[in-house]
Amino acid sequence: QQQVKQSPQSLIVQKGGISIINCAYENTAFDYFPWYQQFPGKGPALLIAIRPDVSEKKEGRFTISFNKSAKQFSLHIMDSQPGDSATYFCAASRDTGRRALTFGSGTRLQVQP
Amino acid sequence: DAGVIQSPRHEVTEMGQEVTLRCKPISGHNSLFWYRQTMMRGLELLIYFNNNVPIDDSGMPEDRFSAKMPNASFSTLKIQPSEPRDSAVYFCASTRGQGATTGELFFGEGSRLTVL
Repeated sequence: QQQVKQSPQSLIVQKGGISIINCAYENTAFDYFPWYQQFPGKGPALLIAIRPDVSEKKEGRFTISFNKSAKQFSLHIMDSQPGDSATYFCAASRDTGRRALTFGSGTRLQVQP
Repeated sequence: DAGVIQSPRHEVTEMGQEVTLRCKPISGHNSLFWYRQTMMRGLELLIYFNNNVPIDDSGMPEDRFSAKMPNASFSTLKIQPSEPRDSAVYFCASTRGQGATTGELFFGEGSRLTVL
């Protein structure tokens, strides 16, 4: 059962462009939505996270947009740089019961110079 | 500060052999997670410990897989007997608090397992 669906699978963006990655979830009990960034040969690392009491969170060039009614959230990378080339995972968890993160399938982002 | 430490980083073994992967979480973290990453299935949770007690092992594929956390600074994931379909990167992660929602998960660099 795939509880967090992520798209696209891969993305190529020119330097300076906007990268957009989308996720949809099924479980309305989820109340924590982080994005993780993974470089080759490394473990994932937290990039930015949001809770459903806000519709948007921005940290530098990275923004999460959250639509609770549609059960969707997305990551926007403004002014994309070659150093942003990595695999991005959305995730979700809930504060009770099964508290471990459920990850999306990942998006491989390539930012071309 | 030392992060999550996993060993071995790479393991190549033959089908039927026992494999033991090790993890040292960040000091002070009381939740520990084992994830498996493959191209086909992405990042899958295998098991989650809180205060050394297994809380959710519903992701453990089958009885060939077992995990222990004998103390707050050490955990093992064992596969016996190993099969080629177990080939994957196995990640250990830790966090402070009772689960992922209380804060950031810190991942190790993973153990890449190849079963021939």
